Amino acid sequence: DVQLVESGGGLVQPGGSLRLSCEASGFTLSDYWMSWVRQAPGKGMEWVASIKYDGSQMFYVESVKGRFTISRDNAKNSLSLQMNSLRADDTAVYYCARDHLWGQGILVTVSS
Amino acid sequence: DIQMTQSPSTLSASAGDRVTITCRASQSINEWMAWYQQKPGKAPKVLIYESSRLANGVPSRFSGSGFGTEFTLTISGLQPDDFATYYCQHYNTHFGQGTRVEIK
Repeated sequence: DVQLVESGGGLVQPGGSLRLSCEASGFTLSDYWMSWVRQAPGKGMEWVASIKYDGSQMFYVESVKGRFTISRDNAKNSLSLQMNSLRADDTAVYYCARDHLWGQGILVTVSS
Repeated sequence: DIQMTQSPSTLSASAGDRVTITCRASQSINEWMAWYQQKPGKAPKVLIYESSRLANGVPSRFSGSGFGTEFTLTISGLQPDDFATYYCQHYNTHFGQGTRVEIK
């Protein structure tokens, strides 16, 4: 069975950094594009970033460009999202995703 | 950057109705479309993947169709449990704006 397990969330002050990780199992990570999506409280779903099979291409939603970096380690079956210069509007539940399959989500709260 | 336009934003319907939600991609995405249902306070749940494939455990009253730029989610015989918000998504990129299905 495909499993995606996020970790690394929590409370961080505005301007701070956080690194989310996603451990993948049940499939060969290098066969798939991977992405992060999020949902802020009371808001709709938002795609955040995606990365190609081999890590050679990354794409970001405009609001996180220059602040977030998506990366992957296929040998370790892991996906990461480095989030810098965090803002209050980055507060959301973040999900690791492989196509239509998602992890359980992890909460990131940006607040002083 | 491929954008997704979902309509309507709100849909009022009665139990037993057949309802259709549409999602349009700004350029062809072949069959790489998924549909999700979300209820208040819960994570989204996948209903349909690859445009028309029913996810495990999803009732057969849900169906998806489309290819290229036009996609639809149809609920045939709306049940009380189906009143929720629905999202389309092109794999690994943008979501539609969401459709809230409410009781008429």
